[in-house]
Amino acid sequence: GENVEQHPSTLSVQEGDSAVIKCTYSDSASNYFPWYKQELGKRPQLIIDIRSNVGEKKDQRIAVTLNKTAKHFSLHITETQPEDSAVYFCAATRPDNDMRFGAGTRLTVKP
Amino acid sequence: GAVVSQHPSWVICKSGTSVKIECRSLDFQATTMFWYRQFPKQSLMLMATSNEGSKATYEQGVEKDKFLINHASLTLSTLTVTSAHPEDSSFYICSARARPSTGELFFGEGSRLTVL
Repeated sequence: GENVEQHPSTLSVQEGDSAVIKCTYSDSASNYFPWYKQELGKRPQLIIDIRSNVGEKKDQRIAVTLNKTAKHFSLHITETQPEDSAVYFCAATRPDNDMRFGAGTRLTVKP
Repeated sequence: GAVVSQHPSWVICKSGTSVKIECRSLDFQATTMFWYRQFPKQSLMLMATSNEGSKATYEQGVEKDKFLINHASLTLSTLTVTSAHPEDSSFYICSARARPSTGELFFGEGSRLTVL
């Protein structure tokens, strides 16, 4: 089955700086890679996703890159703000398979 | 958009009792629902996959007789924690996949279970 690894486990940045979180996956057939933001006690919220036919996707301050050959994908947050502080999870799946999550990254943005 | 409703959002029960958690897809048919468990400061761990009209598939290490999953319709799946113990205290989250699937999961609000 799919195995997703995520790094770092914690990340602290100064407001305005960029944050990068990296994930690797094991199943070369996985073709959908979402990123979720989870605040304490709440459900995960999809913030951006990418499919295997695309190498990069951007939505305002958030971008995701995918390297299929190396089987890794990354989340980039630019101009970080205190409200970006949360736990971020990456995941990998195929449409008919279950979704496996990375271990999570606790991002703290210091004002 | 696709909405998944989960109930109750929190529950406190005595050790030895059973608790049922419901997960409903409100505006779409969910052929597959997934149940996750999340302990404090940890990731979402898949417990089981349920398909409408068939038995759930449990992940290794998850006791199927303790965590009963029923997916009776295309819009409802239930998780029953039987004979709950304090170590079952956790955040349980359901998610659903629409048909046809794009891969995206839609999550319920989660249910925080505390077993005394």
